[in-house]
Amino acid sequence: GAVVSQHPSRVICKSGTSVKIECRSLDFQATTMFWYRQFPKQSLMLMATSNEGSKATYEQGVEKDKFLINHASLTLSTLTVTSAHPEDSSFYICSAGEGQTSGNTIYFGEGSWLTVV
Amino acid sequence: AQTVTQSQPEMSVQEAETVTLSCTYDTSESNYYLFWYKQPPSRQMILVIRQEAYKQQNATENRFSVNFQKAAKSFSLKISDSQLGDTAMYFCAKGSGGSNYKLTFGKGTLLTVNP
Repeated sequence: GAVVSQHPSRVICKSGTSVKIECRSLDFQATTMFWYRQFPKQSLMLMATSNEGSKATYEQGVEKDKFLINHASLTLSTLTVTSAHPEDSSFYICSAGEGQTSGNTIYFGEGSWLTVV
Repeated sequence: AQTVTQSQPEMSVQEAETVTLSCTYDTSESNYYLFWYKQPPSRQMILVIRQEAYKQQNATENRFSVNFQKAAKSFSLKISDSQLGDTAMYFCAKGSGGSNYKLTFGKGTLLTVNP
């Protein structure tokens, strides 16, 4: 079946540096992918919609210059946390849908734990 | 803005018994999708069950079933014959009827199945 893979699963970075998280659809093309953030014991909050070949659409309150999203191909979206700070430490998870309608299955990546020290 | 409300932060149930998790939502759409996801400690999001709003029949998947009340905008999950492996966070989510897969999640219910 279709799979969405995220990498890395865990990353530790120093304050002020940037870190990139990849989200890949392994056996289907995804023109749209979604990035969520989940703080401990909280729900998933949508950060942005990643659109292949065009700019990402950010949710209100999400800093687009801090969370750079690139969707250069139909199978890969990347989230780069720039100038990371400890408050950016969180669980980041992506999703993608197979097919052209929202009635089809949504697949989630395994998630990425980011710790900023 | 769309909202999904889960009013039960935590619930517990004895093994083999039945438990119902509540979810209500707000929308102006006539067609949309509703989901229940399970998130175990591994954090992997696992689809439990899905309901299409235009379908009146309640969805069922083995031990999992929903009570979908469209007029009341209610979408509860019933777990029958609870198993220890059902212990997890459960999230109710709503998807748009449009051509995307953007989901709005509730805050979640932590379900503990006791032996």
